[in-house]
Amino acid sequence: GIQVEQSPPDLILQEGANSTLRCNFSDSVNNLQWFHQNPWGQLINLFYIPSGTKQNGRLSATTVATERYSLLYISSSQTTDSGVYFCAVESYGGSQGNLIFGKGTKLSVKP
Amino acid sequence: DSGVTQTPKHLITATGQRVTLRCSPRSGDLSVYWYQQSLDQGLQFLIQYYNGEERAKGNILERFSAQQFPDLHSELNLSSLELGDSALYFCASSAGVGTTFTDTQYFGPGTRLTVL
Repeated sequence: GIQVEQSPPDLILQEGANSTLRCNFSDSVNNLQWFHQNPWGQLINLFYIPSGTKQNGRLSATTVATERYSLLYISSSQTTDSGVYFCAVESYGGSQGNLIFGKGTKLSVKP
Repeated sequence: DSGVTQTPKHLITATGQRVTLRCSPRSGDLSVYWYQQSLDQGLQFLIQYYNGEERAKGNILERFSAQQFPDLHSELNLSSLELGDSALYFCASSAGVGTTFTDTQYFGPGTRLTVL
């Protein structure tokens, strides 16, 4: 089945810094999503982005489907950005209808 | 507050038992999704229902089943529980207008299941 790899696994930033999180996937996808899980466990669906670029405030995401990767940019990070960021994909073929998650990038933003 | 409610918040039970987790979606949402998060397996999509019908199926074990009722709440039934079923179980809901996974999902706080 499709493999989803996220990097880096851990990231520590000072408040105000920018960061880029990466998601690589091993097969063509018809769906890619980014999620954030805060330190208290709450999950938030950030972006649905199978291709192209989207922006939402200080967060933006770009997916280059032909090269099988997606990037999540966080600008001017705040302590509330801390948590784990997950990428998840739905591929064509046998895995269609199943959303496969990466292991996540754990972000810690220090004041 | 996402508007999605899950009960109970915590559940402790023994191996071999059966439990039912309940989810109430946001008002107006027709789709409900179930996810499992464990230390071993990470986050896994289990199953999705749209307006009472199963729409997508992920890594759901045969010992697990779900349904969505006419009032749109959903229940996840876990039977013959094993130690490895200990996990956080999330429910999410979406409007369900688009195809599977294209709508924004809103997550509940989760039910933490501990199997002893």
